[in-house]
Amino acid sequence: GENVEQHPSTLSVQEGDSAVIKCTYSDSASNYFPWYKQELGKRPQLIIDIRSNVGEKKDQRIAVTLNKTAKHFSLHITETQPEDSAVYFCAALTGGGNKLTFGTGTQLKVEL
Amino acid sequence: DSGVTQTPKHLITATGQRVTLRCSPRSGDLSVYWYQQSLDQGLQFLIHYYNGEERAKGNILERFSAQQFPDLHSELNLSSLELGDSALYFCASSVSGAYNEQFFGPGTRLTVL
Repeated sequence: GENVEQHPSTLSVQEGDSAVIKCTYSDSASNYFPWYKQELGKRPQLIIDIRSNVGEKKDQRIAVTLNKTAKHFSLHITETQPEDSAVYFCAALTGGGNKLTFGTGTQLKVEL
Repeated sequence: DSGVTQTPKHLITATGQRVTLRCSPRSGDLSVYWYQQSLDQGLQFLIHYYNGEERAKGNILERFSAQQFPDLHSELNLSSLELGDSALYFCASSVSGAYNEQFFGPGTRLTVL
């Protein structure tokens, strides 16, 4: 099947703390895993992605880890700031490589 | 600005009607994707076109259809509209396949009354 589960659905952290969002996928053929950020009233935008040939990728305060054996991947945001508040979606490449299946999203709120 | 344009921005119509949403991909992008985002819902994949050919279908209703034209713009047609079709419809484009970054347009907000 082609299913992506995402947890938690909401996450509230204090400014400066770390935030972790986890996703699991079912399609063992998936080999591309992007993360999108959607601010209120705006379009989703790619923030980081990882392909199956690596286990971790980092870009400043954002990192993604991938465990292909367990079929799960995670987004880590360190030193959170108020502007990190948004909905984050994970996704996995499915459908023979022709579509992204998205998770249900995580509403992250960074409190001052 | 992602370079992907969608028209119209807002659309208000009645049940039973038919509407057409239009998308122009970024210059040079061959793939176009359509997504539906209902209130408090995630991004539901509808369909993917690559250079005029359908590549993948999601849970797209039979009342919905799409096409990609030779100039690579795409249209999503929604017919026999129901209240539950009210949603934000996003178009996205990528250079080639779905393994490339997808750039989303601003969306079309459809309200069915």
